[in-house]
Amino acid sequence: AQSVTQLGSHVSVSEGALVLLRCNYSSSVPPYLFWYVQYPNQGLQLLLKYTTGATLVKGINGFEAEFKKSETSFHLTKPSAHMSDAAEYFCAVSDRAGRRALTFGSGTRLQVQP
Amino acid sequence: DTGVSQNPRHKITKRGQNVTFRCDPISEHNRLYWYRQTLGQGPEFLTYFQNEAQLEKSRLLSDRFSAERPKGSFSTLEIQRTEQGDSAMYLCASSALESIHEQYFGPGTRLTVT
Repeated sequence: AQSVTQLGSHVSVSEGALVLLRCNYSSSVPPYLFWYVQYPNQGLQLLLKYTTGATLVKGINGFEAEFKKSETSFHLTKPSAHMSDAAEYFCAVSDRAGRRALTFGSGTRLQVQP
Repeated sequence: DTGVSQNPRHKITKRGQNVTFRCDPISEHNRLYWYRQTLGQGPEFLTYFQNEAQLEKSRLLSDRFSAERPKGSFSTLEIQRTEQGDSAMYLCASSALESIHEQYFGPGTRLTVT
């Protein structure tokens, strides 16, 4: 069975500082990997995904993530935080075949201080 | 394309009542997923459809829950004899067969059982 661990339920950074949100997964085979963002009272929006090819993937709003198979990690980064980045971030994995339902981590709430 | 829509956005009901939620996926998306999200947690998979066929149900989906997608378009999720533990955000997502790993989420229906 797949599982996702997000280290740190809350992360606080200053505006302009580096954002680093950690995600580790457990899977018998390398899965597809995703980061979603959720703003209050809204659904989830896909930030970026890794399916195959280049292990450094770029997403929307200046975010990027790197798939490291040896570390079973898919950490999310952004060089310079903006106030509008404050939200809940979820890492997720899915099978490469079959139902492809997403298995989510428990989320990391990002606060951006002025 | 207006995205995935869900109705109602909020539902307050008394314990023991039945409730029904509706999800309208992006048109021509073959797959439709239901997830449940409780406070402070990531979404959890409930069930999914490919066209009108319900292909899998999670163990989280007790006998009080039923989902349908009668014509392969919109879907309904019904909860009978609601319990306080059913209080959660119910999220719907859809995906196209040609990009099956990319799910688009609706805004969710927040259920409160009093």
